[in-house]
Amino acid sequence: EVQLVESGGGLVKPGGSLRLSCAASGFTFSTYGMNWVRQAPGRGLEWVSSISSSSSYIYYADSVKGRFTISRDNAKNSLYLQMNSLRAEDTAVYYCARPRGVGSFDIWGQGTMVTVSS
Amino acid sequence: QSVLTQPPSASGTPGQRVTISCSGSSSNIGSNTVNWYQQLAGTAPKLLIYSNNQRPSGVPDRFSGSKSGTSASLAISGLQSEDEADYYCAAWDDSLNGPVFGGGTKLTVL
Repeated sequence: EVQLVESGGGLVKPGGSLRLSCAASGFTFSTYGMNWVRQAPGRGLEWVSSISSSSSYIYYADSVKGRFTISRDNAKNSLYLQMNSLRAEDTAVYYCARPRGVGSFDIWGQGTMVTVSS
Repeated sequence: QSVLTQPPSASGTPGQRVTISCSGSSSNIGSNTVNWYQQLAGTAPKLLIYSNNQRPSGVPDRFSGSKSGTSASLAISGLQSEDEADYYCAAWDDSLNGPVFGGGTKLTVL
């Protein structure tokens, strides 16, 4: 079964850091670019970051550029998101998502909740 | 404020046909394909339509998508109670160099 499982969410104070992980299974992870998408409580979806299959190409939304770092370990079938200088507006459920062509995502994880609050 | 514009809500009775609109610009919908997602309460989004009008395996043909210029729409025919969900449109944006989403439309089945 094709599956993505996120972990690492939790409560963190403003200015703090958190590292999210996404474990992939059921498909050849190393051949897919991967993405992080977030959803603030009661709000819509927002793309956060993407990384190509070999990590050669990395992109970020302006809202997280300079604070978040996406990475992957193809040997471990894992995707990561290092989040630094966290702000209240970063509070959201973070999903990892596998792309299907340009701009669409066909496989999503269950999400991990990140809460930034003092 | 989302880059793509959707109505916040829509409704219909069982068996009816409902449509949800999505408006963008030349840098997103106008030059790229549109995708639609369905998000049931408390769950992750599910890809419903990709490349304007293609359905992934397992998605009923009651769901259809179309695009014209800088706008797109999702149509649901033979509305069922289990279709009650939030629906999001999305498209690649050439200016932002990433995918952008609509704000979502909450569909209520009366």
